Amino acid sequence: AQSVTQLGSHVSVSEGALVLLRCNYSSSVPPYLFWYVQYPNQGLQLLLKYTTGATLVKGINGFEAEFKKSETSFHLTKPSAHMSDAAEYFCAVSEPNDKIIFGKGTRLHILP
Amino acid sequence: DGGITQSPKYLFRKEGQNVTLSCEQNLNHDAMYWYRQDPGQGLRLIYYSQIVNDFQKGDIAEGYSVSREKKESFPLTVTSAQKNPTAFYLCASSIVRGGTYEQFFGPGTRLTVL
Repeated sequence: AQSVTQLGSHVSVSEGALVLLRCNYSSSVPPYLFWYVQYPNQGLQLLLKYTTGATLVKGINGFEAEFKKSETSFHLTKPSAHMSDAAEYFCAVSEPNDKIIFGKGTRLHILP
Repeated sequence: DGGITQSPKYLFRKEGQNVTLSCEQNLNHDAMYWYRQDPGQGLRLIYYSQIVNDFQKGDIAEGYSVSREKKESFPLTVTSAQKNPTAFYLCASSIVRGGTYEQFFGPGTRLTVL
């Protein structure tokens, strides 16, 4: 069965610093992987996704994630944090023709 | 523009009353989902439907009911049997076959029981 673990329910970084949000997954077959972002009182918006091919995936707002099969990880990074990045971030996994499973989310705080 | 709409944005209900949350999509997606979101608990799946006139219980279906009479619509009823209904409710849709199951979300409805 698929599962997703996000390490850290809250992460704080200074404005301009590196953002690193960790996600590990479990899947019996090559997975599809996703990162979503949620701003307060809004729905989730897709940041980026990995399906096949290049393991480094670039998304919106300067975020990227790298699929590492050997580590079963799909960590989200951004070189320089901006105040507008403050939000909750969800990692998710699905297998082909199966429904998506979400992690519990990581709230990102940006310190001025 | 294609997307998912949820209405209303905010909803207040007296204890003991049933209330129905609307979800409509024009993405031509087969599957639709309802999630409940509480602080610190992520998304919890209430019900989902992969085809018209069929739906399945998710992880926390007790006290909720749904219908799927049209492909575009998947309303959720919060019944008086739901012990703690105050929460943020999200509707989503996705392609079922031949896709990645990437889900598209509506803006959510915040339900408050008074």
